[in-house]
Amino acid sequence: SQQGEEDPQALSIQEGENATMNCSYKASINNLQWYRQNSGRGLVHLILIRSNEREKHSGRLRVTLDTSKKSSSLLITASRAADTASYFCATVLSGTYKYIFGTGTRLKVLA
Amino acid sequence: DTAVSQTPKYLVTQMGNDKSIKCEQNLGHDTMYWYKQDSKKFLKIMFSYNNKELIINETVPNRFSPKSPDKAHLNLHINSLELGDSAVYFCASSQTGRLEKLFFGSGTQLSVL
Repeated sequence: SQQGEEDPQALSIQEGENATMNCSYKASINNLQWYRQNSGRGLVHLILIRSNEREKHSGRLRVTLDTSKKSSSLLITASRAADTASYFCATVLSGTYKYIFGTGTRLKVLA
Repeated sequence: DTAVSQTPKYLVTQMGNDKSIKCEQNLGHDTMYWYKQDSKKFLKIMFSYNNKELIINETVPNRFSPKSPDKAHLNLHINSLELGDSAVYFCASSQTGRLEKLFFGSGTQLSVL
C-alpha cells in the first residue's frame, strides 16, 4: 500500500499544551501537506512543505520534513479546544498528480 | 459561495440500486478527484480527471464510473450498490501543474442497507 502511516492514532491533551503528530511515507515525493478534518466535514489544507525544505511555520503550526527518513512532523503550539479534529498528512508522488493520505491522527484538546 | 460542492450530503439506499453523486467546483481548477473515506477514516484515491480526461484510475470496481461533462464538474455513478460501498465520498479539486493544496467538498455519506 502507498498509504502513509501517522502516529499516534489518537492524542488527548489539555488546552494550552503542544500537540505533535508524525507522518511516515514510502515513495519519493514532490511535497508533503497537512490537512485538518473536523467531524462530519471535508478536509481543509493547513500547510505545505516542499521536498527541498526542512522546516516551515504558519501561525501556531510548525512542520518539519526529513526526506532521508521519509518522515514529517506537525507541531501545534498552545492548543485550543477548537483544534480538536483529525489531522492527515498527504504526499504528492513525484511525477504524478496523485495525493496519498496518511492514516490520520485524532486530536482531542480538553478545555 | 461554496468552492467545491457535492450533492447529496446523505444517501441511503438498498443493495443492488444504482446511484449518482454530483460535484461542482467554482475555483476555475482543471483537476478534480474522488476519494473514499472508510469507517476507519482511511482516505483512498479513486479517480482523477484533468480537463475532462481521466488521469488517475485506481483499483476500483468497474461498478464505479466517473463522468466529467466539463472541467468544473465530476460526477460519480455507482451501479449495483453493495454493503461494502458504504463510506463517505469526497470530491476535491486542484490546479494542475502546481501540485499544491486540494480543496475538498463536504462529503457524501453513502449508506447501503
